Formats: sequence, structure tokens, C-alpha cells
Amino acid sequence: KNEVEQSPQNLTAQEGEFITINCSYSVGISALHWLQQHPGGGIVSLFMLSSGKKKHGRLIATINIQEKHSSLHITASHPRDSAVYICAVAYFGNEKLTFGTGTRLTIIP
Amino acid sequence: DAGITQSPRHKVTETGTPVTLRCHQTENHRYMYWYRQDPGHGLRLIHYSYGVKDTDKGEVSDGYSVSRSKTEDFLLTLESATSSQTSVYFCAISAGALEAFFGQGTRLTVV
Repeated sequence: KNEVEQSPQNLTAQEGEFITINCSYSVGISALHWLQQHPGGGIVSLFMLSSGKKKHGRLIATINIQEKHSSLHITASHPRDSAVYICAVAYFGNEKLTFGTGTRLTIIP
Repeated sequence: DAGITQSPRHKVTETGTPVTLRCHQTENHRYMYWYRQDPGHGLRLIHYSYGVKDTDKGEVSDGYSVSRSKTEDFLLTLESATSSQTSVYFCAISAGALEAFFGQGTRLTVV
């Protein structure tokens, strides 16, 4: 069964800390997505990547294809970063996404 | 932001009644998806569509049907709602190796 594993499931940190959320998958993929969902809110796409690294503001996403692993980093974390972060992958030959169960991030002022 | 809207946003219905959720897109995307989101399970695919009148089942399709008569509209129907279908439902467009866009979600409560 193709699975997507995220860690940690829950993360609480102080404002300003550097945050890392991890995602591992089991077989080859065509793309990996990082999504953000604020409490009671919709789901927003942060990044889509198939290799290397992408940066947007304080958010950085990296992927290691050989190790089947991706990380989402947040620098200088802020309370507004508090949300659930979801990793999703598209396996080769499959348009459908497979989702991790999410990481709930809480940033304390 | 991509043009994708869901309606209704909230609904409370009684067990045994039919319910239809609508997803409307203005992006002309071929692929559309319906997911449900439940605590501890993440997002699970109910049904998806790869074109007008072309649909297929996802991993949790029992009790649900879909229709797509126009590119822009994808309807999800619960023929006879049950309490186990209380959930938050999300529609999405695109995906795979293309960027994914999600609707704002529909919170459905079956009492």
C-alpha cells in the first residue's frame, strides 16, 4: 500500500523558533505537495515540487528523491503560522493525490 | 486564487434524507475531486472526475454518487445520509503533477 507518513503529528513551539516538518513516502512520485489548513479554514497549496528546493517568504520546502523524503521548514515562526500542514504525493502514472494525516503546528507568542 | 467554490458551506440534515453538494470551478480543469476529512484520517478520496460524464470511485465511495454534466460543475450526492457521513467535504481541481486547488469545504452534519 502506498503511504505517506508525516512527523511530528503535533508540534508546539515558541515564536521565532525554526520549525521542521517531515514527510516520507514509499514509492516513486511525480510530485509532492505541501498544503496548509488554518483552524476551520480551507486548504491552501504552499508548494508543489518534484526535485530540489523551493522558497516562499519564510517557508522552505525540500525534497530528496533518493531517500523518498521531504521537509517543510519555517524560519522565524509566528503565531499566524499556527495551522495544520499536510503533505500529499502523486505517484507515477496516477493523477490522484495520497495524503498524510497532517502536522498540527502551534506557535506560542 | 483559483476559482473554485463549494455550496452549501454548512448543512445539517436528518438521517435518511438525500443531500447534494456542489463544486463549481471557473478554471476549466479536466480533473475534479471530492474528499472527506475526518480526525485521524486526513483527506480521503470519495470520487473523482477526469472529464464530462467521466467519473470513477475513490477509496471511500460507498454511499456516495457523483455527476459531472458540465466541465465546471461536479456534484456529490448522498442518496440516504447516515451519521457516519458527518464530515467536512472538500472539492479540489487539478492535482498530480499540477498545482492543486481546494474549495473552502462543506461542513455536513447528519443527525
